[in-house]
Amino acid sequence: DAGVTQSPTHLIKTRGQHVTLRCSPISGHKSVSWYQQVLGQGPQFIFQYYEKEERGRGNFPDRFSARQFPNYSSELNVNALLLGDSALYLCASSLLGRAEFVDGYTFGSGTRLTVV
Amino acid sequence: GQNIDQPTEMTATEGAIVQINCTYQTSGFNGLFWYQQHAGEAPTFLSYNVLDGLEEKGRFSSFLSRSKGYSYLLLKELQMKDSASYLCAVSFPNSARQLTFGSGTQLTVLP
Repeated sequence: DAGVTQSPTHLIKTRGQHVTLRCSPISGHKSVSWYQQVLGQGPQFIFQYYEKEERGRGNFPDRFSARQFPNYSSELNVNALLLGDSALYLCASSLLGRAEFVDGYTFGSGTRLTVV
Repeated sequence: GQNIDQPTEMTATEGAIVQINCTYQTSGFNGLFWYQQHAGEAPTFLSYNVLDGLEEKGRFSSFLSRSKGYSYLLLKELQMKDSASYLCAVSFPNSARQLTFGSGTQLTVLP
């Protein structure tokens, strides 16, 4: 079984540019969450989508946006990149978007974004 | 606030037992998770506590005390491959059920 897949794995962008990160959840999973993980810190919640609707948003500026497609894959978009956006961006999928499931969320390996 | 505190680093010897603590200043959460994350890789689920008490899964056990705002992850018979970051996280009963993570504890297992 394919796990959560993210692309690209690594990306280098310049300040002010825009970036799109992609995530395909586990087959059958309807919920996708995005997290930002800065080096040495735990992941921070950005967005959750369930059945193509935004269920929650973390404390991130409007430069961050996301969407979920009919096949449940998702894109995270970041505009006007800042040096501080350099981080590992993790996508997590779950069946119903509820962390009460015994196995919680399944994370992808992430996209390492470097802003220079 | 939802502060979740973990020690930054720990070191232990192969074959030993190590306990990684997690304290939090929050209430009303659904449950507490522990994830393992090797450098450059995805966090992988280890355990989930809803009720107070001990949950055992092979070499790994996790304990929760809601009244004391405290959890720990116990790793027995340490192996070199257990060297990783261990993340404590709580989920809240909002519509997103997002996870709020601590900063992680970097465990180094020495031969």
